This record gives sequence, structure tokens and C-alpha cells, in this order.
Amino acid sequence: EPEVTQTPSHQVTQMGQEVILRCVPISNHLYFYWYRQILGQKVEFLVSFYNNEISEKSEIFDDQFSVERPDGSNFTLKIRSTKLEDSAMYFCASSEEDATNEKLFFGSGTQLSVL
Amino acid sequence: KQEVTQIPAALSVPEGENLVLNCSFTDSAIYNLQWFRQDPGKGLTSLLLIQSSQREQTSGRLNASLDKSSGRSTLYIAASQPGDSATYLCAVRSYHNDMRFGAGTRLTVKP
Repeated sequence: EPEVTQTPSHQVTQMGQEVILRCVPISNHLYFYWYRQILGQKVEFLVSFYNNEISEKSEIFDDQFSVERPDGSNFTLKIRSTKLEDSAMYFCASSEEDATNEKLFFGSGTQLSVL
Repeated sequence: KQEVTQIPAALSVPEGENLVLNCSFTDSAIYNLQWFRQDPGKGLTSLLLIQSSQREQTSGRLNASLDKSSGRSTLYIAASQPGDSATYLCAVRSYHNDMRFGAGTRLTVKP
């Protein structure tokens, strides 16, 4: 069964460093998303991406965050200067059509630890 | 602002029991509601998606219902098994917000 793949599974970084989290969505999907889950808290929406541009973003997704689809298969989340509070599990998701109609398929996540 | 609440926060049942997980949401202007399963250290697995025009969806031993006007959904698990042990998340896609998740119900099914 096709799945969303995320790398790395764990990332440890120093505060102030840049990190790039990588995702390979399901191949025929057109809509891409990033979510995060701080330990013990709810899963939170960060950003959605369609047709090579951001379609929605939350208040969490500030200027320190950016997303990119550098080629036909990868979808990345960059955090420019990490803060301690960025430590969380980051999930990539994709759907064939807009999430108003379709199931979201999630990757296994990248656990980001900022020291 | 959409708020999603799940009750109970944790549930422990013996194997074979039927059980119900509850989800409530504050804004009934929704596109759909989705139930997910999350295993420790793993991603989210979609279980059932109910569109706003639907009242229930079934998959195997799982049945999810939706009462949009009262802002409630239930996930019914029949004949529970130890392999059903996981955290179950409810998520609502509403007109005015992105997808909002509940905090989850942590289910333990004891052999």
C-alpha cells in the first residue's frame, strides 16, 4: 500500500540552527500538509500546499518556517533558526484531493529535539 | 474557533468488550470528521472519514457516527482485541479553520 515517507525519523539540533525535514508524499497526491505534535499536546496544523504554493497556514507557521517542493517527489519543511519550543514530532500528510473531501494520509513523523 | 474534545482521555477494557469513544466539536459548520489511530512513536492511520452529509461509516469492527447539529461523533469498536490498543484521535475539518484535532483517547485492551 502506498505510504507517506518521512526522513529522518529523529533529528537533534542546537538552538539557532537550521533544520530541513523531508517528506515523500504518495505519488498521485496533489495536496500536502505539515502538522506537529508537541509532547503531551494535540496535533496542530502548520501549513497546506497545493500547486506549488501555500494554500493555508496557521499562526504557528511564522517567518521562521518555509516549505518547498523542490522536485516532483519531495516536500520539505525548513525551520530557519530553531528554538527550544520547536521541539516536537512533525508529521507530513498528503491527500489526492482537497482535505474537505478526502482522507489525509500521514507519515510516521520526524521527532525534532532542539537543545 | 473550532474546539474538539474527546472523552474519556483513557480507557481500559478486557478483550472482547464492545466500546464507544466520544468526540465533540463546537462549530457545526464542518466539511468532514475523521477518526485516526496513533500507535506510540508512529504516525496517524486514518480509520474512517465521515462527510458532513453522512450519518455513519463502517469499516470492519469499527463504526463511526456523526450528529452534526449536536456537534458529536462516536467511534464504536466491536469485540475489542489487544491489537486495538492505541490512541484514537478525532479530527474535524470545518469551514472556517484548518483540521482541528482532539487530544485523543488512549485505549488499552487487556488480554
